[in-house]
Amino acid sequence: GAGVSQSPSNKVTEKGKDVELRCDPISGHTALYWYRQSLGQGLEFLIYFQGNSAPDKSGLPSDRFSAERTGGSVSTLTIQRTQQEDSAVYLCASSFGYETQYFGPGTRLLVL
Amino acid sequence: GENVEQHPSTLSVQEGDSAVIKCTYSDSASNYFPWYKQELGKRPQLIIDIRSNVGEKKDQRIAVTLNKTAKHFSLHITETQPEDSAVYFCAARKAAGNKLTFGGGTRVLVKP
Repeated sequence: GAGVSQSPSNKVTEKGKDVELRCDPISGHTALYWYRQSLGQGLEFLIYFQGNSAPDKSGLPSDRFSAERTGGSVSTLTIQRTQQEDSAVYLCASSFGYETQYFGPGTRLLVL
Repeated sequence: GENVEQHPSTLSVQEGDSAVIKCTYSDSASNYFPWYKQELGKRPQLIIDIRSNVGEKKDQRIAVTLNKTAKHFSLHITETQPEDSAVYFCAARKAAGNKLTFGGGTRVLVKP
């Protein structure tokens, strides 16, 4: 079946603009996660959604970052007033309950 | 919160030799330890995982060992091949939550 998909694959924006990144999880997966990977670095947890429970937002670096998951499926990560340090690859993953997390291809964000 | 340290950061081996990557974790409540492989420009993919009720797991040329007392786990790749060249990430997860905490990654280069 289809894996996790993300759009856009690449995004170039100017400092101060808002961006929206989209994630389509694997159909039927109950959990969805966002991670950030800076150049040559590890994966930094941002936020996760599990079913109808309140999301775990403990990894969001500032209040400029927010995410929502509509209808228990698609998720959008929004970064307001982007800064150059926001430049990174944003990875989405999904899982069925507490099972294996499958990653999407990522969105490469460049803030000029 | 959980902290995962991964060593070495880079590893160069001759084709056919073995490669070992080590990770330590801080939270004794962690009970699930996956390893992901990320090839250049691609998404991380799960290659093997281990739960805290076992000490070792093997899948063909890949094995993972876990020492709960010392809070460390290791990835062993035997008979390395050029296609094993990638960045490998270890991670840890607590039973009570679903958030993965990743190590910083190990860049493995297998020289033909």
